[in-house]
Formats: sequence, structure tokens, C-alpha cells
Amino acid sequence: DVKVTQSSRYLVKRTGEKVFLECVQDMDHENMFWYRQDPGLGLRLIYFSYDVKMKEKGDIPEGYSVSREKKERFSLILESASTNQTSMYLCASSLPRDSSGNTIYFGEGSWLTVV
Amino acid sequence: AQSVTQLDSQVPVFEEAPVELRCNYSSSVSVYLFWYVQYPNQGLQLLLKYLSGSTLVKGINGFEAEFNKSQTSFHLRKPSVHISDTAEYFCAAGGYQKVTFGTGTKLQVIP
Repeated sequence: DVKVTQSSRYLVKRTGEKVFLECVQDMDHENMFWYRQDPGLGLRLIYFSYDVKMKEKGDIPEGYSVSREKKERFSLILESASTNQTSMYLCASSLPRDSSGNTIYFGEGSWLTVV
Repeated sequence: AQSVTQLDSQVPVFEEAPVELRCNYSSSVSVYLFWYVQYPNQGLQLLLKYLSGSTLVKGINGFEAEFNKSQTSFHLRKPSVHISDTAEYFCAAGGYQKVTFGTGTKLQVIP
């Protein structure tokens, strides 16, 4: 079974702090994604990566950056956290580039509260 | 640009009754279509997907969906729901490198 593991389930950070959300997948998937989930808005894509050191902006990249130094690991970075970034963050992975018909596998999510 | 519309944000239904969760998509190109389920405090998992072929797709837990190209719809159905089906359901459409999700429908099964 594919496993996508997010390092922290619940985090509380202060405004202005730098925040790292870590994600690891164990199935050698090329594609990795970071989504943000908010009530009534569904899932919105922040960034995705289809290869090591490659990244592409999603629909809401402002205030976020990402890092993919190894194939299995995809990190989301909030350079200076703000209260409007309080949300549930979902990491996901899938098989190769251009294969949008492939299943996306999700982690369990990281609940981030910025105070 | 691709978009996915889930018309109902919440659907209450009595246990053992049938249910339909509606989804419409817009796209000028061929799409792949998905339904995902999210149980409380968990990530999303795939229920079923349509890539090509038969327009009636069967998924896990007794769910099925029908692809209707003329109406650009992909509605999810179950003939008899169980308490354990209480969850949030997301419709999604896949295009080049990217999958777009709807805003979700919360299914509340009433005992």
C-alpha cells in the first residue's frame, strides 16, 4: 500500500514564524502535491512537483514555497506565517507526469493554527 | 480552465435510504473524473474513477457513478447508505498534470 506520511498532525505557530511542513511518500511516485483545505472552499493546490528539484505553482502559491531535494520528500514552507494561513494542509503523491488519470494518494493532513 | 461544481454542500439522508451526490465539470478537453471520500480527521481516499470505457463506474463500499458527457456530469450514487458512510465527498477532474477538486459535499446519515 502507498503511504504518504506528514510529519506533524497538529501545529500551533506564532505570527511571523517560519514553518516547515514535511511529507514523505514510500512508493517512488514522481508527482507530489501540497493542497490547502478550508471549509466551503474544498481543496486548493498550492504547489506541485513532478521531479526532484522541480516545482510548479498551483492556484494559491502566495506566501508559500516548497522544496524537493529527494524524490520521496516534499516540504512546504511558510516563510512568515500569518493568521490567514490557519488551515488543514494535505500532502499527496501520484504516478508519473502527464498521467492525470492516476490516483492521488493523500496523507492524513496537518492542522496548522497561527496565533 | 477546468472547474468542478458540487451543487450540494450538505446532504442529510436516513440510514438505508438511497443517495445521490451531484457533480458537474467543465472542460473543453477529455478529462478523467474521480470521487474521493474523507472520513473525519483523515486524508482523502479514492472511491472510484472514470478514465474511459463504460460510463458506469463501480467503486468501493457499494458506491457507483455515471459519466454523462452530454450533461458534463459525474454523479455519485449508493442504493442504501449506512451510518459509516457519513463523511465528506469530493468530486475531482484531471487534466494535464493537474487535478481540480470541487468544494465537497458532506453526507450526514441519520439513524
